[in-house]
Amino acid sequence: EDKVVQSPLSLVVHEGDTVTLNCSYEVTNFRSLLWYKQEKKAPTFLFMLTSSGIEKKSGRLSSILDKKELFSILNITATQTGDSAVYLCAVEKTGANNLFFGTGTRLTVIP
Amino acid sequence: GAGVSQSPRYKVAKRGQDVALRCDPISGHVSLFWYQQALGQGPEFLTYFQNEAQLDKSGLPSDRFFAERPEGSVSTLKIQRTQQEDSAVYLCASSYGLAAKNIQYFGAGTRLSVL
Repeated sequence: EDKVVQSPLSLVVHEGDTVTLNCSYEVTNFRSLLWYKQEKKAPTFLFMLTSSGIEKKSGRLSSILDKKELFSILNITATQTGDSAVYLCAVEKTGANNLFFGTGTRLTVIP
Repeated sequence: GAGVSQSPRYKVAKRGQDVALRCDPISGHVSLFWYQQALGQGPEFLTYFQNEAQLDKSGLPSDRFFAERPEGSVSTLKIQRTQQEDSAVYLCASSYGLAAKNIQYFGAGTRLSVL
């Protein structure tokens, strides 16, 4: 059975801290892994990762994929209150039409 | 449009009522997806359209759920005889090309509460 597991389930940090969110997966026919940020309700695309070891970066956010150990991490440096959200990890499979999501990590950044 | 638009944002239904949820995808996007997100969970796939063709409805939980996209643009998800377990946020997503090759962009969803 396909699995996407995110940890921790929730995290509370102070502004300025650095956080690492984890996503491990067990799926057949893996194609790519995606990270989304969900504030209120609409998930917003962050990264798509298809190759191992290549870091993707956008401002204070970065992510990397390890296809051998079957996990990805999302790093956020110098966190701000606006980073408070649920971060969703999703896996795309070859030949499938949909994304398989984890349950998300709820990040709360306090001033 | 600038993004995926869903309406209504909130819907309260009495158990047994029928509801219709609308999704207006990004203009020109071929693929359209519906997901159901229960409280504290990640979105779960319901159905997928490529233009007007419904190519995958494997995630629809029962025959009370029906989706259509008759002209290959706007889509409607209909739930008949709603039950309390149908309470969730219903998310719509669209992507430019064929599924499994493109980033999915999501709407803000419709929060359905069945009393």
